[in-house]
Amino acid sequence: GNSVTQMEGPVTLSEEAFLTINCTYTATGYPSLFWYVQYPGEGLQLLLKATKADDKGSNKGFEATYRKETTSFHLEKGSVQVSDSAVYFCALSAWLKTGGYNKLIFGAGTRLAVHP
Amino acid sequence: ETGVTQSPTHLIKTRGQQVTLRCSSQSGHNTVSWYQQALGQGPQFIFQYYREEENGRGNFPPRFSGLQFPNYSSELNVNALELDDSALYLCASSQVTTRTYKNTGELFFGEGSRLTVL
Repeated sequence: GNSVTQMEGPVTLSEEAFLTINCTYTATGYPSLFWYVQYPGEGLQLLLKATKADDKGSNKGFEATYRKETTSFHLEKGSVQVSDSAVYFCALSAWLKTGGYNKLIFGAGTRLAVHP
Repeated sequence: ETGVTQSPTHLIKTRGQQVTLRCSSQSGHNTVSWYQQALGQGPQFIFQYYREEENGRGNFPPRFSGLQFPNYSSELNVNALELDDSALYLCASSQVTTRTYKNTGELFFGEGSRLTVL
């Protein structure tokens, strides 16, 4: 079946440190992959996406590359800020039926805390 | 463009009661999905509605039901509430087209309705 596994948190970093949050997936077919971010008390916001193998999604300094050979979609940022403190969810798109109808399957989330 | 809006934002119910949560989809979107996010976990798919019909369902019992209206807004109803139903309920909308190559699977989420069952 389809599943997403993320590294457990919390991840605690100092400001300007390098961030990596690991994500691996199991899927039939070729899903789209996503990173969503959830700030305290809020819903989910799309951070970035990749729709096919070797695509690189990027946004706000975050990047992730769709690696089919390792079934991975690791999130990276070169220099984190205090404002990046949030919970990050890796997700894949599993098709409900042909025609574009889909559901997202999420990992358990990784909490990131960035200190000044 | 108007984003996904949900109501109420918070509510408290007691075990055995019924609850209705509401969602207005993002302007231009025709598909609505509902997710349950328990504390400290990732969201779990409940069901999806397209053209007022249930299009797919996750591993949730029949006491979880929904509706989609002609204006694409939606309701989630939960009957016979249990303590484990306490969670953040997220609504997400998307635009599904018949040109399937355009459907990336991206969903746009509201801020959720936090339900506490006592």
